[in-house]
Amino acid sequence: ELKVEQNPLFLSMQEGKNYTIYCNYSTTSDRLYWYRQDPGKSLESLFVLLSNGAVKQEGRLMASLDTKARLSTLHITAAVHDLSATYFCAVDEDGNKLVFGAGTILRVKS
Amino acid sequence: EADIYQTPRYLVIGTGKKITLECSQTMGHDKMYWYQQDPGMELHLIHYSYGVNSTEKGDLSSESTVSRIRTEHFPLTLESARPSHTSQYLCASSEGPEQYFGPGTRLTVT
Repeated sequence: ELKVEQNPLFLSMQEGKNYTIYCNYSTTSDRLYWYRQDPGKSLESLFVLLSNGAVKQEGRLMASLDTKARLSTLHITAAVHDLSATYFCAVDEDGNKLVFGAGTILRVKS
Repeated sequence: EADIYQTPRYLVIGTGKKITLECSQTMGHDKMYWYQQDPGMELHLIHYSYGVNSTEKGDLSSESTVSRIRTEHFPLTLESARPSHTSQYLCASSEGPEQYFGPGTRLTVT
């Protein structure tokens, strides 16, 4: 059974600082997704990582995937308040069946 | 980007009532999904469909049922709502690796 673990589950950071969210998973997969969710809202797709070594960047966020280590990271550079949200990683278990991590609540303080 | 719609967005209903949550997408995606998300928690897959007349149960046991008579429509039905069904229900669809999420239905059963 595929397990997906995120850490930290809660992250409070100052504006301008850098930090990394980690996503570990338990079985082989080369498809990993990062989503953002604002309070009371649906999920917004951030990154789709489809192979070992994949790296994608959008603004202050950069995601990477190491399928051998079964690890993905979401790196935040020079955080701003607008990045405050909950971030989920999800791993493709079997043909588009996603297993989600518990989510990381990010709060950026000015 | 997929256009995916859910109605109602919010629903408060009494115990024992039958309810149907609607989900429609206009992109012609074959694959559709229902997820359940309790506040502040991860998403759990409760149903999925890979095409017309195809439905499967997901990883989380659910008392709901689904149907897929048309490609664009994937309704979820609760025959007899209970307070334990109080949650947010998110519908998603995909053609390739990426899933696109609807706005969600927030259900409260009193």
